[in-house]
Amino acid sequence: GAVVSQHPSWVICKSGTSVKIECRSLDFQATTMFWYRQFPKQSLMLMATSNEGSKATYEQGVEKDKFLINHASLTLSTLTVTSAHPEDSSFYICCTGLYSYNEQFFGPGTRLTVL
Amino acid sequence: DAKTTQPNSMESNEEEPVHLPCNHSTISGTDYIHWYRQLPSQGPEYVIHGLTSNVNNRMASLAIAEDRKSSTLILHRATLRDAAVYYCILRDPVGGGSNYKLTFGKGTLLTVNP
Repeated sequence: GAVVSQHPSWVICKSGTSVKIECRSLDFQATTMFWYRQFPKQSLMLMATSNEGSKATYEQGVEKDKFLINHASLTLSTLTVTSAHPEDSSFYICCTGLYSYNEQFFGPGTRLTVL
Repeated sequence: DAKTTQPNSMESNEEEPVHLPCNHSTISGTDYIHWYRQLPSQGPEYVIHGLTSNVNNRMASLAIAEDRKSSTLILHRATLRDAAVYYCILRDPVGGGSNYKLTFGKGTLLTVNP
């Protein structure tokens, strides 16, 4: 099956700084990627749909200026958490949206801790 | 909102079969039923999917009710490594329909006892 990687796997940062999370599809071209956030003991919540070469589509309640998404190539989507605060501490996971695979592939996740 | 309902938790003993139920009473005729699972501190992984007929793969079996309003994921012999949250999902098409997004409900936390 397809492989999706994320980098970094975990990051600790100070409040007010920005953090970039990379999501790479290693063996196929992904025109669409999805970004999820998961708080402890909760389910995954879709944040946004990342489209290669165009603007991302954000879910209701997700601030597009805070969570910047860039999908500049068919193998890389990035999520930047700007001016991070402790409430942004969460597990961030990306996922492919490729239809031709019946299964969709998730990255291993990035654990963000904001102090 | 998720279009499926599942029990919050279930418990099983190692080496025994596990039946994880899911209700999807508003399913449409073209909706596939997908199951994913999430092990602790990992991204979700695909388990199985089906439309009308029962399905088997190396991980599990999927039994779909005749009216398609419910389904059951079957793990034939649970192992400790099967302890995870299991999600039953009806995918939503995105854009022109060539991509699908997954909306996660709370899922079922499966505990496997040694």
